[in-house]
Amino acid sequence: DTGVSQDPRHKITKRGQNVTFRCDPISEHNRLYWYRQTLGQGPEFLTYFQNEAQLEKSRLLSDRFSAERPKGSFSTLEIQRTEQGDSAMYLCASSPRQAPSPLHFGNGTRLTVT
Amino acid sequence: AQSVTQLGSHVSVSEGALVLLRCNYSSSVPPYLFWYVQYPNQGLQLLLKYTTGATLVKGINGFEAEFKKSETSFHLTKPSAHMSDAAEYFCAVSSGTYKYIFGTGTRLKVLA
Repeated sequence: DTGVSQDPRHKITKRGQNVTFRCDPISEHNRLYWYRQTLGQGPEFLTYFQNEAQLEKSRLLSDRFSAERPKGSFSTLEIQRTEQGDSAMYLCASSPRQAPSPLHFGNGTRLTVT
Repeated sequence: AQSVTQLGSHVSVSEGALVLLRCNYSSSVPPYLFWYVQYPNQGLQLLLKYTTGATLVKGINGFEAEFKKSETSFHLTKPSAHMSDAAEYFCAVSSGTYKYIFGTGTRLKVLA
């Protein structure tokens, strides 16, 4: 169990630029989640994959956001035309099964939009 | 729909004192409950979870939590705080599907 890996750890970008984040889940986990966390808040659900299928997207995920999980392994989260309000910590988590199996989180990607 | 309320966004305790972090949940079905800890610039780490069975759950680092259905609570406790316990703590609930709902967190400060 090497843990969930996220890259990059930090990203500073100018408003209007596109950014892409990567998540490598624990290898035997077929469920993958993206959450967003802002200062003083808990993680907010963005999207969920079971294998390569994206089964749910939150209303928080505007048209500028897209997530993929090709081949059911790693996942990418892309934000197009970034806005200052996109500044947050983006957390990836994985699990082998649905609850009560807990989520295993990566260390996150902190995005700052200037 | 499920929800989680964490009472007290900031809690301060003296080193060696009892830690009590409060979590109340709302769920129309039997819940699965979790406590996570987050250190600065890191992801969330599981402290403990309640599924079924024994209502007093023990976790890592000396923490425990008690599921009280009548009070819809799942408060986190530790008998004696240590400086290394200073972090943010999140309570989460799931109905057994893929959805996990997190509270807004409680930042624990430990005073020397």
